[in-house]
Amino acid sequence: DIQMTQSPSSLSASVGDRVTITCRASQGIRNDLGWYQQKPGKAPKRLIYAASTLQSGVPSRFSGSGSGTEFSLTISSLQPEDFATYYCLQYNRYSSPTFGGGTKVEIK
Amino acid sequence: EVQLVESGGGLVQPGGSLRLSCGGSGFAFSTYWMHWVRQAPGKGLVWVSRISGDGITTDYADSVKGRFTISRDNAKNTLYLQMNSLRAEDTAVYYCARPGPSNSGYENYFDFWGQGTLVTVSS
Repeated sequence: DIQMTQSPSSLSASVGDRVTITCRASQGIRNDLGWYQQKPGKAPKRLIYAASTLQSGVPSRFSGSGSGTEFSLTISSLQPEDFATYYCLQYNRYSSPTFGGGTKVEIK
Repeated sequence: EVQLVESGGGLVQPGGSLRLSCGGSGFAFSTYWMHWVRQAPGKGLVWVSRISGDGITTDYADSVKGRFTISRDNAKNTLYLQMNSLRAEDTAVYYCARPGPSNSGYENYFDFWGQGTLVTVSS
């Protein structure tokens, strides 16, 4: 199985800050990588697929990059509604899907 | 509008069984793979199982293999998860999730999620 290592596990930031979260895959997954946002008591919400493609309706302050084994999610200017937990997901079709451990973004 | 509604969660004793259901609407249910994902209290998301649109192909996480069985009834647009020999560590919110279309390369990318159903394994 492909393992996903996500870092950091948590971070504190202020409104307006630039925030970057990374995920590393244990083997190459091309760009079969998505990002999700989850708020307490809610189901995850899709943000990005194919490593860098924004889902419709997702604000442009969110961006994704990477390919192969190294990926990142960046929020260019953190807004109050962005405080949440973020997960990466590798969805390579030849493997079972696996999530990163999550990054909790908290208010500083 | 795509909707997924889970049911069947509850409190069960260790060693007991429970069957979860997930009703899908707003899409051609039988043409999509379907998945179960769980989240223990305060923990991260963990993929549990998947089943092909025709119900023939199934796959499980090692942690549930041999204890859980995924199935579907396409006539009823319903996905199931039969959970046997339940353990305390199976305590979690269980989500059903619909991925992208079959043969699209997105069969493991979760487009839509249900609201989740809580399973608590405790004596």
